[in-house]
Amino acid sequence: EVQLVESGGGLVQPGGSLRLSCAASGFTFSSYWMHWVRQAPGKGLVWVSRINSDGSSTSYADSVKGRFTISRDNAKNTLYLQMNSLRAEDTAVYYCARGIEGPRGRGYYFDYWGQGTLVTVSS
Amino acid sequence: SYELTQPPSVSVSPGQTARITCSGDALPKQYAYWYQQKPGQAPVLVIYKDSERPSGIPERFSGSSSGTTVTLTISGVQAEDEADYYCQSADSSGTYGVFGGGTKLTVL
Repeated sequence: EVQLVESGGGLVQPGGSLRLSCAASGFTFSSYWMHWVRQAPGKGLVWVSRINSDGSSTSYADSVKGRFTISRDNAKNTLYLQMNSLRAEDTAVYYCARGIEGPRGRGYYFDYWGQGTLVTVSS
Repeated sequence: SYELTQPPSVSVSPGQTARITCSGDALPKQYAYWYQQKPGQAPVLVIYKDSERPSGIPERFSGSSSGTTVTLTISGVQAEDEADYYCQSADSSGTYGVFGGGTKLTVL
């Protein structure tokens, strides 16, 4: 059974940092792209970042570029999101999701999601 | 930045057909995907590659595509289908993911 379990969320002051983790099990983690998606309270889903299967390629939404860093440890079956210079607008539930790549250049989708971890940025 | 546009809400009576649209300039080139999200739960994929249905998703869920608009159709809506529905795709390069704003489906 595929499982994704996020951790590391919590309350942080504006300008602070936080590292989220996503522990994966039930599939060959090193074979899949992985993503972070967030959802502000009462709002819609927003794609945040993705990383390829060996960690050599990453992409970020404009809203987090330069502040967030996605990474992975395939030996530990774990995905990470290092979040720096946090702002109030980063307050959200952060989901990790397994990505399925479409044919070349035709995007991707998410077939399994974790339950999410809440990040609150407030003084 | 690239955007996908969905109606904020759709209401139908049980047994009727619900149609939720999603519009975006890159949709003729990129596949669209649909997710169902119930309160307090993670999203669940209900349609992939415009019209394919994952295993375990009821046959009443279907998808279609025409030009810059894709449509999620739920035939014979049941009370358990009440949820938020999100379309998802990618920009024209296929690099950056994007979600529609979501549609709240209310079963009257």
